[in-house]
Amino acid sequence: KNEVEQSPQNLTAQEGEFITINCSYSVGISALHWLQQHPGGGIVSLFMLSSGKKKHGRLIATINIQEKHSSLHITASHPRDSAVYICAVGGSNYKLTFGKGTLLTVNP
Amino acid sequence: DTGVSQNPRHKITKRGQNVTFRCDPISEHNRLYWYRQTLGQGPEFLTYFQNEAQLEKSRLLSDRFSAERPKGSFSTLEIQRTEQGDSAMYLCASRLLVSSYNEQFFGPGTRLTVL
Repeated sequence: KNEVEQSPQNLTAQEGEFITINCSYSVGISALHWLQQHPGGGIVSLFMLSSGKKKHGRLIATINIQEKHSSLHITASHPRDSAVYICAVGGSNYKLTFGKGTLLTVNP
Repeated sequence: DTGVSQNPRHKITKRGQNVTFRCDPISEHNRLYWYRQTLGQGPEFLTYFQNEAQLEKSRLLSDRFSAERPKGSFSTLEIQRTEQGDSAMYLCASRLLVSSYNEQFFGPGTRLTVL
């Protein structure tokens, strides 16, 4: 069993839909990251969370430390949101352990 | 552009050749991480540096792999006697070790293809 599990692996949505990607982890962490990766490989950090909830534009990330679970929500999805979304957790040295990613495709 | 650069962006090599990749982190960042990502998978940790000191290496980093950060600024990752299984995207990230809330900034990656 991987230390970081994401679901779903693939997600197809219509423009405007509300999207949720889930992440569960099995290790103690100092912080959880949500990352976005576009074709070509570049990774952009969306959020770093250690508790509660963060919002940036149409993106919302929540974490429940007791349940070892986090969710990434995208409101009013748009085709430009199409990418791979990766959950990663960091321990005391902040080296990251990554999930396999969720491939999101938003159709116009 | 996150401020972290990697060169080259793409490398195609024949099995058995040596390759070297470079990562230039954000200038004041003292932590530098290397990760490897194979097709369809999430990245995996390889090694990390605090300034010039290499503090941890993954079991994934076989004897054919060596990483350096000689002056605590840029870092190099060398793979000797490349094998087809080394084909992957090699990612570098940096962060500032000031507080526990500083995120990691990723470079664009170097995609290695071993023929």
